[in-house]
Amino acid sequence: AQTVTQSQPEMSVQEAETVTLSCTYDTSESDYYLFWYKQPPSRQMILVIRQEAYKQQNATENRFSVNFQKAAKSFSLKISDSQLGDAAMYFCAHSSGNTPLVFGKGTRLSVIA
Amino acid sequence: DGGITQSPKYLFRKEGQNVTLSCEQNLNHDAMYWYRQDPGQGLRLIYYSQIVNDFQKGDIAEGYSVSREKKESFPLTVTSAQKNPTAFYLCASSIATDGLEKLFFGSGTQLSVL
Repeated sequence: AQTVTQSQPEMSVQEAETVTLSCTYDTSESDYYLFWYKQPPSRQMILVIRQEAYKQQNATENRFSVNFQKAAKSFSLKISDSQLGDAAMYFCAHSSGNTPLVFGKGTRLSVIA
Repeated sequence: DGGITQSPKYLFRKEGQNVTLSCEQNLNHDAMYWYRQDPGQGLRLIYYSQIVNDFQKGDIAEGYSVSREKKESFPLTVTSAQKNPTAFYLCASSIATDGLEKLFFGSGTQLSVL
C-alpha cells in the first residue's frame, strides 16, 4: 500500500525567511506524481506544486520549490520569503497507477511577523 | 465559472439518522472522490468513481454509501452505521482516471452529530 509520511506536525517561520517541510513516501510503482496542497483557515484545498516522478528537475512555482530525491523517496517543500498568507496546513500527497491520491497527515505552518 | 459545489456547508445529524452530502461539478471530469478529514489525520479516501454507474471503496468506506448516476453528481450518504461521523468532508474531481492528475476540490461540508 502507498503511504505518505509528514514527520513535522507543526513548523514556524519568521516572515521573509525560508522554511522546508518534509515528506517521505513509499511506493513500488515507477511512474507516479507527487503533490503539495495548502489548506488555509478557510479549509479550501489549494494545489501548491506538482512533481512528475520521471522528471529529474525539481518543480518550482514562484516562491515554492521542491527537493525531489527519488532514490530516497523524499519530497520536501521549500517556501522562500515567507509571507503571513503562507500560514496554513500543508499536505503532501502521492498518486500512482490507477489509484487516487494518498495524503500525509499534514504540517501546520505558522508565520511569525 | 467551472468548479465543484458542495452543499450544505454545515450539516447536523441526529442519532440513527442517514444524511446525504451533495457534490456537483461542471468541469466535465470523469473521476470524482470523497475524502474525510479529521484533526491530525489528514485526508482519508472514502469512495471514488472513475465513470458513471461505477464506484470503488476507499480506505474507510464502512458506514458510507455513494451513487454515480450522472457524470456531474456524486452524492455521499452517511448512514446510521457510521458511529463517528463528525468530520469535515471534501469532494474532489479530476480530469483523468489514472490517478496522475491533480484534484480539484470543493469547499467542504462540516458534519456534526447532535
